[in-house]
Amino acid sequence: QKEVEQDPGPLSVPEGAIVSLNCTYSNSAFQYFMWYRQYSRKGPELLMYTYSSGNKEDGRFTAQVDKSSKYISLFIRDSQPSDSATYLCAIPYGQNFVFGPGTRLSVLP
Amino acid sequence: DAGITQSPRHKVTETGTPVTLRCHQTENHRYMYWYRQDPGHGLRLIHYSYGVKDTDKGEVSDGYSVSRSKTEDFLLTLESATSSQTSVYFCAISESLGINQPQHFGDGTRLSIL
Repeated sequence: QKEVEQDPGPLSVPEGAIVSLNCTYSNSAFQYFMWYRQYSRKGPELLMYTYSSGNKEDGRFTAQVDKSSKYISLFIRDSQPSDSATYLCAIPYGQNFVFGPGTRLSVLP
Repeated sequence: DAGITQSPRHKVTETGTPVTLRCHQTENHRYMYWYRQDPGHGLRLIHYSYGVKDTDKGEVSDGYSVSRSKTEDFLLTLESATSSQTSVYFCAISESLGINQPQHFGDGTRLSIL
């Protein structure tokens, strides 16, 4: 079992839809969780991070962590075509990060 | 945007040749990383550095070496390139270690080995 798993998509939604992106992880020692966004032919950029279980909101984005289920989610409200990208969950561990393979999202006008 | 420059941005080369990729940062961050990104695998760590001349192996280090002679530069060398090393290579930097310290990425080098 991989340490972090993500549905690779692609996921296509109409503009304005609510998007749910998800990761599951296997190591209960993971404590901190990040989401990166990667546009085509660009490097990943940090979108948001969260430490504890529960929700963290930043504008149209909400990160949710359920440590009991080892499940993390990123919700995007009122999705825009500019949100079309690949979304990677990332978990710092020791001196390194463990990255999910990413979910490719397309928001159609 | 974090000041990270990767060069070259694109390279095509032949099997068996040595290849060196460069990562240059202007942020004076201590930690630097090399990843490769492949479909279905996501980002996998090749090598990382925790200071000048201090490096360590990552998950997929076989066939790769690195050097860091200055804080701002981190070089990745494919000693004898193979077709399995065709990939997109990303450099990342972070200011310090800690579970709340994010990594910032360059825009990648697309490497094709024929």
